[in-house]
Amino acid sequence: ETGVTQSPTHLIKTRGQQVTLRCSSQSGHNTVSWYQQALGQGPQFIFQYYREEENGRGNFPPRFSGLQFPNYSSELNVNALELDDSALYLCASSTSGASTDTQYFGPGTRLTVL
Amino acid sequence: AQSVTQPDIHITVSEGASLELRCNYSYGATPYLFWYVQSPGQGLQLLLKYFSGDTLVQGIKGFEAEFKRSQSSFNLRKPSVHWSDAAEYFCAYNNNDMRFGAGTRLTVKP
Repeated sequence: ETGVTQSPTHLIKTRGQQVTLRCSSQSGHNTVSWYQQALGQGPQFIFQYYREEENGRGNFPPRFSGLQFPNYSSELNVNALELDDSALYLCASSTSGASTDTQYFGPGTRLTVL
Repeated sequence: AQSVTQPDIHITVSEGASLELRCNYSYGATPYLFWYVQSPGQGLQLLLKYFSGDTLVQGIKGFEAEFKRSQSSFNLRKPSVHWSDAAEYFCAYNNNDMRFGAGTRLTVKP
């Protein structure tokens, strides 16, 4: 059984650019959640996708957008990058969108915005 | 506002000593509570979770946590800490959006 994978591992961008991060969910999981973890802080919920539909969103601006594909993999897109977007981006997959579900996390993508 | 508070930013314990990491939540209904551990350069791993029933929950790696509604707390404990337990620990609750505390960094002295 393959766990949650994310690509790339590290990324460096400049202000104003756009970035796409990718996540492959664990086998059998149809839900993917994305989190932003700034240095020294806990993860902050960005949004969740369940069966290709957005199923909840945290307090992030519209320039953070996502997609989920028929195979339940997912992308996080961030437009007009700002310095404060520098963080570890984590995705997690689960068997459904229920609050009781265990979320299985990938290793993250470290984004640096210069 | 709904929140999770971990009052201790950093804790140091000696190997073999007992450990308690504190977590308080602010939410009206019974939340779904979780403890995760994060080692450097890695994602989060679930230690244990509480939804209902027995308020003392057993997890992996010898950890346990106790839900106390009257204190709005969900503290994590381990009777004897190992050097490999050094990591960042996060308490979280989930009510359609998972909210994490700021984390407690655990250092283990030889």
